[in-house]
Amino acid sequence: DSGVTQTPKHLITATGQRVTLRCSPRSGDLSVYWYQQSLDQGLQFLIQYYNGEERAKGNILERFSAQQFPDLHSELNLSSLELGDSALYFCASSVGTGSTYEQYFGPGTRLTVT
Amino acid sequence: AQKITQTQPGMFVQEKEAVTLDCTYDTSDQSYGLFWYKQPSSGEMIFLIYQGSYDEQNATEGRYSLNFQKARKSANLVISASQLGDSAMYFCAMRELNQAGTALIFGKGTTLSVSS
Repeated sequence: DSGVTQTPKHLITATGQRVTLRCSPRSGDLSVYWYQQSLDQGLQFLIQYYNGEERAKGNILERFSAQQFPDLHSELNLSSLELGDSALYFCASSVGTGSTYEQYFGPGTRLTVT
Repeated sequence: AQKITQTQPGMFVQEKEAVTLDCTYDTSDQSYGLFWYKQPSSGEMIFLIYQGSYDEQNATEGRYSLNFQKARKSANLVISASQLGDSAMYFCAMRELNQAGTALIFGKGTTLSVSS
């Protein structure tokens, strides 16, 4: 158990819908990262927050947005869902934001868009 | 652009044997971090081992060791005395300094199958 929690574990929804994925980082970790894992794209970085502020953006679509709240939990919002958004979405956390900090991953949310 | 290459899509090994999973990387940064993660069939990502670019000694964590050859830009994972529970997908990753933050970039992974 990494200490990072994600809810829900599974999510099935229809095209065009909007969903929210939730992540609670390990106690004491200030950085939260979101990653998407799909068969064709592999594991891709989406976005990073550090202590409530956006720090870095990766291959995140405009239909996706995220935020980190004062209690450090984070939410990833996916809207106007398409079939290609079906993937495993991971949240990870680390103590800081330097290059030496390992990231601990949550169990992931498996999103299926039908 | 930084890049991670894992050339072995699948590896097969018997219990108790050692196995090396290959990883090469490409970066122009002087300061970077290299990581290995394990993903069993259940899907979670498990951190295994970390090597910093300035670390002179190879990292070790139990049965895992990282064979770091900086000049060759390689960071191979060595698993000694394989166990059935080691069967999983293994990802090599590099910490990329991206704008004001950091992110991991991953290779495509290597599937390890351990048989009895």
